[in-house]
Amino acid sequence: QVTLKESGPGILQPSQTLSLTCTFSGFSLSTYGMGVGWIRQPSGKGLEWLANIWWDDDKYYNPSLKNRLTISKDTSNNQAFLKITNVDTADTATYYCARVMVIITPYYFDYWGQGVMVTVSS
Amino acid sequence: DIQMTQTPSSMPASLGERVTISCRASQGISNYLNWYQQKPDGTIKPLIYYTSNLQSGVPSRFSGSGSGTDYSLTISSLEPEDFAMYYCQQYDSSPPTFGGGTKLELK
Repeated sequence: QVTLKESGPGILQPSQTLSLTCTFSGFSLSTYGMGVGWIRQPSGKGLEWLANIWWDDDKYYNPSLKNRLTISKDTSNNQAFLKITNVDTADTATYYCARVMVIITPYYFDYWGQGVMVTVSS
Repeated sequence: DIQMTQTPSSMPASLGERVTISCRASQGISNYLNWYQQKPDGTIKPLIYYTSNLQSGVPSRFSGSGSGTDYSLTISSLEPEDFAMYYCQQYDSSPPTFGGGTKLELK
């Protein structure tokens, strides 16, 4: 059974760095073709893809935020991470992590976490 | 980035009704189109990938079709659990982008 769960700071101040953790089970990021993506959703708005990381440590970022994003993984502990630097109020959103598999498509998210709400406020 | 436009943005419908949600891309996306359902508690569930392939476990009343720039999600007979938000997503080119969503509401 595949599960994913996001965790984060809840609230942070403008200009700080947001650190998110995705803890998953039921698959391994050391297995060929497996990946984890991050997607966010401001309250009442649509979905925005942020980044993917793959089993071979390939990383892909949304160009609109690329300079501020860093995705990484800890295969031993079944975790993936996302850091967003220099946050502002526009980064207030619910952040989701989701599994992707290259054998289906590199951008089909077939299992999602419940999401974690992050508020940027002074 | 490819822009995805969903219509309508909200749709009142009745139990048992057949409904179709449309999704138009700003350029051709070669059938690289997925659909997701989001419940009010935020839970997101995948429905369809590559235009018409049903995710395992998704009821057969859901179907997808389309080509070029125009795609659609059809629910053949609405059940109570189908009232939710629906999003399309293209992955023909990076970054993958989502439509603005369609809220399916009980009439």
